[in-house]
Amino acid sequence: GENVEQHPSTLSVQEGDSAVIKCTYSDSASNYFPWYKQELGKRPQLIIDIRSNVGEKKDQRIAVTLNKTAKHFSLHITETQPEDSAVYFCAATYTNAGKSTFGDGTTLTVKP
Amino acid sequence: EAQVTQNPRYLITVTGKKLTVTCSQNMNHEYMSWYRQDPGLGLRQIYYSMNVEVTDKGDVPEGYKVSRKEKRNFPLILESPSPNQTSLYFCASSLLHGELFFGEGSRLTVL
Repeated sequence: GENVEQHPSTLSVQEGDSAVIKCTYSDSASNYFPWYKQELGKRPQLIIDIRSNVGEKKDQRIAVTLNKTAKHFSLHITETQPEDSAVYFCAATYTNAGKSTFGDGTTLTVKP
Repeated sequence: EAQVTQNPRYLITVTGKKLTVTCSQNMNHEYMSWYRQDPGLGLRQIYYSMNVEVTDKGDVPEGYKVSRKEKRNFPLILESPSPNQTSLYFCASSLLHGELFFGEGSRLTVL
């Protein structure tokens, strides 16, 4: 089955710096790669996603890149703010089969 | 308001006492899924359903059952709970190829 590895497990940055979280996946059939943000005590919520026919997607301060050949994708957050502090999860999904595999999560702390 | 509703939100039970966690969505989504979240292990998929009467095992299905008799409901059944099923459970729904919408979570403790 699919295996998703996410790094780093914890990340601490100064406000205004950039943060990068990386994920690798094993199943070349995976075709949908979302990123979810989970604030303390809350449910995960989608922040950005990318499909396998696209290499990069950007939404204001957040961007995701996908390298299908190397089977890895990354989340980039620029100009970080304290409210970006949360746990971030990547996931790899083969939409035709319905299975989703999540990474173990990255705890991002943005210091004011 | 579009939402996924889980009940109960918190439950303490004892080993072997059957329980059901309900999940209901009002967005007419075909896809529904259950996950458990444990510290350091991310979200692990228990079961999922791509439509009514269609269910499949995720990565950690042992000890759980599900049913999908109606499009909006996807209950998670623990026939004989054990302490290793103590966890935070999330139900989620989506259109077939899109964003997951999660419920608020159900924190289960099995003594």
